Amino acid sequence: AQSVTQLGSHVSVSEGALVLLRCNYSSSVPPYLFWYVQYPNQGLQLLLKYTSAATLVKGINGFEAEFKKSETSFHLTKPSAHMSDAAEYFCAGELVGTSYGKLTFGQGTILTVHP
Amino acid sequence: DTGVSQNPRHKITKRGQNVTFRCDPISEHNRLYWYRQTLGQGPEFLTYFQNEAQLEKSRLLSDRFSAERPKGSFSTLEIQRTEQGDSAMYLCASSSGSGHQPQHFGDGTRLSIL
Repeated sequence: AQSVTQLGSHVSVSEGALVLLRCNYSSSVPPYLFWYVQYPNQGLQLLLKYTSAATLVKGINGFEAEFKKSETSFHLTKPSAHMSDAAEYFCAGELVGTSYGKLTFGQGTILTVHP
Repeated sequence: DTGVSQNPRHKITKRGQNVTFRCDPISEHNRLYWYRQTLGQGPEFLTYFQNEAQLEKSRLLSDRFSAERPKGSFSTLEIQRTEQGDSAMYLCASSSGSGHQPQHFGDGTRLSIL
């Protein structure tokens, strides 16, 4: 079955350090991919989306993600972490053969930022 | 754009009771989705509406679950005879009908079964 996998359920970085959150998908055809952020007791907020127009996608709050077909990956990065980035991050894909708009989510990665 | 609104934010009920949640999508969005999120997991798709038509239901949506979107605007999700395993966050999302548009999520309804 097609899936979205996030490697690492917890990532911890120091303020000002590079943030790297990993996401891989399993599909023979690249899906539409999204990164969402969730703060405690809130819904999901869209960070960025990949829709095949460009492999490097810039999002809000300084985040960006690079789509690599050869690695079936869509990792999320931010050059310099801020305390306000502490949250849970979800990678999601609109996978081939699924209903229009139906999202399959990864398990999530909790990002902790230390002062 | 007032965002997706969900009510109530929290619901505590005894096992066996029925509960109903409401979702008001962004007004111009014709697509509406329900997801369920349990602790430590990503959201799982439950069902999808395009306007008032329910086009897909997950096998996660047992016979005890029913969703409606009567006039293509707000939607309700009802759970009958609740069970302990129904405890979760229920998220609603909406999107426009043009292309692969991202979904906008509400803050969810957290259901706790005593």
